[in-house]
Amino acid sequence: EVQLLESGGGLVQPGGSLRLSCAASGFTFNSYSMNWVRQAPGKGLEWVSSISGSGDGTFYADSVKGRFTVSRDNSKNTLYLQMNSLRAEDTAKYYCAKDLNHGDYSPWGQGTLVTVSS
Amino acid sequence: SYVLTQPPSVSVAPGKTATITCGGNNIGSKNVHWYQQKPGQAPMLVIYYDSDRSSGIPERFSGSNSGNTATLTISRVEAGDEADYYCHVWDSGSEPWVFGGGTKLTVL
Repeated sequence: EVQLLESGGGLVQPGGSLRLSCAASGFTFNSYSMNWVRQAPGKGLEWVSSISGSGDGTFYADSVKGRFTVSRDNSKNTLYLQMNSLRAEDTAKYYCAKDLNHGDYSPWGQGTLVTVSS
Repeated sequence: SYVLTQPPSVSVAPGKTATITCGGNNIGSKNVHWYQQKPGQAPMLVIYYDSDRSSGIPERFSGSNSGNTATLTISRVEAGDEADYYCHVWDSGSEPWVFGGGTKLTVL
């Protein structure tokens, strides 16, 4: 069974940093692109970042470009999102999702909540 | 960046057909994916590549895409279909992946 488990969320002050992790199991991790999608409280889904299976291709939403860095460790079957210079508007539940082919994300993890507040 | 427009809400009686639209400039030339999100749960893929049903999704769910509108159709709607639905596409612009704003389906 394919499983994705996010961790690393929490409360952080504006300007602070946080690193999210997504532990994957049940599939050949390095064969699939992976993605981060966030959802602010009561709001819709927002694509954040994607990374290719090998890790050599990375993509970011304009809202996080230059502040967030996506990476992966294929030896540990783990996806990461390093978030720096956090702002209040980054407050959201962050989901990792496996890319089946090209944008069809399945499955999704249960998410980890990031709260940016003083 | 590319914009996808969904109606905020759609209401339908049980047993009837729900139609959820996703508008975008020449969206018919793109591949559209649809997700269902029930309260307190992670999103789940229901339709991929315009009209293919994800594993375990009932035949009542179908999709189409043409011109400037993609459509998710749910036939014989059940109470358990009540959820938020999001469309999702790839675009060649600065932000390659875009979600629609979401549509809340209410079963009356």
